[in-house]
Amino acid sequence: DIQMTQSPSAMSASVGDRVTITCRASQGISNYLAWFQQKPGKVPKRLIYASSSLQSGVPSRFSGSGSGTEFTLTISSLQPEDFATYYCLQHNSYPYTFGQGTKLEIK
Amino acid sequence: QITLKESGPTLVKPTQTLTLTCTFSGFSLSTSGVGVGWIRQPPGKALEWLALIYWNDDKRYSPSLKSRLTITKDTSKNQVVLTMTNMDPVDTATYYCAHMEYDIALFDYWGQGTLVTVSS
Repeated sequence: DIQMTQSPSAMSASVGDRVTITCRASQGISNYLAWFQQKPGKVPKRLIYASSSLQSGVPSRFSGSGSGTEFTLTISSLQPEDFATYYCLQHNSYPYTFGQGTKLEIK
Repeated sequence: QITLKESGPTLVKPTQTLTLTCTFSGFSLSTSGVGVGWIRQPPGKALEWLALIYWNDDKRYSPSLKSRLTITKDTSKNQVVLTMTNMDPVDTATYYCAHMEYDIALFDYWGQGTLVTVSS
């Protein structure tokens, strides 16, 4: 199985900050990576697909990059509604695997 | 407009079999490239992919749960059914189904989720 390691596991930041979350794959996955946002008690929402493509309707402050084994999700200027948990998901090979999540909290 | 909704028991006893149904609209599981997946999330924990079924009846399972899972589809009813045998308290989780259409639309739409508690 491909292991997906997210870092950090948790972080605190302020409104307006630039935030970067990293996801590392235990082996190369090309660009078969998606990012999801989940707010407490809510359904996960896809933000990014194919490593860097922005889901329709998602604000442009979200961006993704990377290929192979290292990927990043960047929020250019944090907004109050961005405080949530973020997950990466690799779908290069079965079994699909999620990262353990990054909880983004208000500083 | 794509929608999905999970249904099934909220409480099951240890060793019982869980049967969950995902009823969807806005797409067809007979269309090339389309699939429905199941993902679960124990309370306070991370997401875990369980299984996928494709339009051509190709099925994929998480190896760690493969012996306990079965995924089937009923194209005429727009439903996907997931069964999990020998339930254990550690299987307590919110279970989601999600749409996909080729890799580009992997899990772009999710059901609301259903919380299943395993307890005697």
